[in-house]
Amino acid sequence: DTGVSQNPRHKITKRGQNVTFRCDPISEHNRLYWYRQTLGQGPEFLTYFQNEAQLEKSRLLSDRFSAERPKGSFSTLEIQRTEQGDSAMYLCASSRGQYTETQYFGPGTRLLVL
Amino acid sequence: KNEVEQSPQNLTAQEGEFITINCSYSVGISALHWLQQHPGGGIVSLFMLSSGKKKHGRLIATINIQEKHSSLHITASHPRDSAVYICAVMDSNYQLIWGAGTKLIIKP
Repeated sequence: DTGVSQNPRHKITKRGQNVTFRCDPISEHNRLYWYRQTLGQGPEFLTYFQNEAQLEKSRLLSDRFSAERPKGSFSTLEIQRTEQGDSAMYLCASSRGQYTETQYFGPGTRLLVL
Repeated sequence: KNEVEQSPQNLTAQEGEFITINCSYSVGISALHWLQQHPGGGIVSLFMLSSGKKKHGRLIATINIQEKHSSLHITASHPRDSAVYICAVMDSNYQLIWGAGTKLIIKP
């Protein structure tokens, strides 16, 4: 247990539905990252926050994806109008904020879109 | 060509053997991470390096900035070390670029 928690751990949804995932980072960590990992692949960067500011978004993050970190603590990742290709493990990580700091990963949310 | 390349892709060894996993990268980095991913997806950060060498228990990580190369060593390997080991570099935009991983199996 790294101290980063994610909920839910598993989500099954029908194509076209909206889903929302939550990440609670380690409390003193300023930076929060979202990654997506499909089967057999390494994680792909989606976006990251420095406190409540979203500083970078990958081109992988289409218009259907939105992430927030309203108070600089927990974060939510929402996928609208889910597609089967969205099925993946969604990982959250946090770090203290200095670029040399290690990122601590949560257990992930596994999404299956039917 | 991938920006981060690991070798080997797969490695099977007997318990007790000395293990080396290599990582080469082609971009400018501020730091390099070694991570361990167990079946089921859990990822644990093992090391973060920006220079030199770090040691934690039976794990040793080294980095040569000039040669853009890092190695992860496991001494006295044990079946519980079986996992996927991932090298990831942090570029100047603070993004992590991941290698494809090395699947390690240690047989008793």
